[in-house]
Order: sequence, then C-alpha cells, then structure tokens
Amino acid sequence: EAGVTQFPSHSVIEKGQTVTLRCDPISGHDNLYWYRRVMGKEIKFLLHFVKESKQDESGMPNNRFLAERTGGTYSTLKVQPAELEDSGVYFCASSLTTGTGGLEAFFGQGTRLTVV
Amino acid sequence: ELKVEQNPLFLSMQEGKNYTIYCNYSTTSDRLYWYRQDPGKSLESLFVLLSNGAVKQEGRLMASLDTKARLSTLHITAAVHDLSATYFCAVVIAGGTSYGKLTFGQGTILTVHP
Repeated sequence: EAGVTQFPSHSVIEKGQTVTLRCDPISGHDNLYWYRRVMGKEIKFLLHFVKESKQDESGMPNNRFLAERTGGTYSTLKVQPAELEDSGVYFCASSLTTGTGGLEAFFGQGTRLTVV
Repeated sequence: ELKVEQNPLFLSMQEGKNYTIYCNYSTTSDRLYWYRQDPGKSLESLFVLLSNGAVKQEGRLMASLDTKARLSTLHITAAVHDLSATYFCAVVIAGGTSYGKLTFGQGTILTVHP
C-alpha cells in the first residue's frame, strides 16, 4: 500500500513568487493534516481536513497560505506571495476517521521549501 | 496552550551505552506518540501510548507514559549506530475531535558513536 506522498520534495523560489505543494494521502484516509517545521523550531500544526472540509485551520500563519482538498482526495497548499520566513519543511499526514484504527497519523517525507 | 518539551535536544552516545530521552507536556492528553525521523525521510511512528503506566518495547527502544506526571520516557538500551536519528514525542490534546492533530516536542538529535 502506498504511503503519504508529497510533491515536490524540494522547492527553491524567490521572495514574492508563488509555490504550490501537493499531498496525496493514503487511500481511504479521510483526515489530512499539514504541518510545518521552520529551521530550529518544533513541528507545528497548520490545518486539518476531514474529507474536503476544513476541520481546523487554526495553525495557518496568515492569508498568504491557502489549502484545498479537492473531492476529499489529494490536497494542495499554496503560498502566495512567498516570504523568507516561509522557508521550512512542510509535512503532510493522513489518518483514518476516529474510532478503531484511527489512532495514528502517517506522515509523508515532507517538502523542503526555501525562499530566497 | 499545550506545550511539549523534550530533553535533551542533542544526545551523543557511545555504542553499547544506555540513555533516556524525556518528554514533558503541560496539559491532559489523550495519547502520546514517539516518532523517529531519518534525514530527508518521513516521520516513522515508533510507539503510541494510551494510558497511565503504559510501557511498550521494540528492540532496543522502550517507551513509557506517566499521565499523572505528564511525562513520557524513551529509553535506549545498548545503543547501536543504526539508532542515530531525530526522535520526536507528540501529544494529542484530551477531548480533541481528531487523532492526528499533534503537538510536537522540539526533537532530540541522537548520534551514536562507535
């Protein structure tokens, strides 16, 4: 079974440009999460989808970040316009619905974003 | 706001030695996770601890949970080089609606030397 996959694995963009990160969760996982680790800091929650709906977006840093999950399958996270402080590793995770089997989230390998 | 603190943040060990990584958290939690991350790779789930007194072991790693003290430990026995990685603990807030919204510790970078 395929795990959580993220694209691209690395992205280097200039300040002011737009970048779109993609996450394909494990098939059948209704819950999809985005996290970010800025260098030297801990991994921080950004938002949570249940199917195509945003359950919790309390961690989104500002309105330059837009997350979507079309049809409850893959998700995209767009940063527009990118700023230097957006650099970091963006992780996606997915999990089953709560209840039996929903105990853990599985993570992708992350997208390393560098804004120069 | 839930805070999760790990210590130490950096750990350099000799092969064959034992050591413990500590994870403290500030509010009541439903469950606690330990993850391992190798450079450039995803976070690999090691343990899920659900209740007070829970102890789980896998190979040279053993994790325990004390919910009253809000403390989890990851004990490494007779370290080997393959254990070199970054280890994270992560906590889910009690009463949350989602099992995946995690609050992470800062991570412990473990290096095992011959």
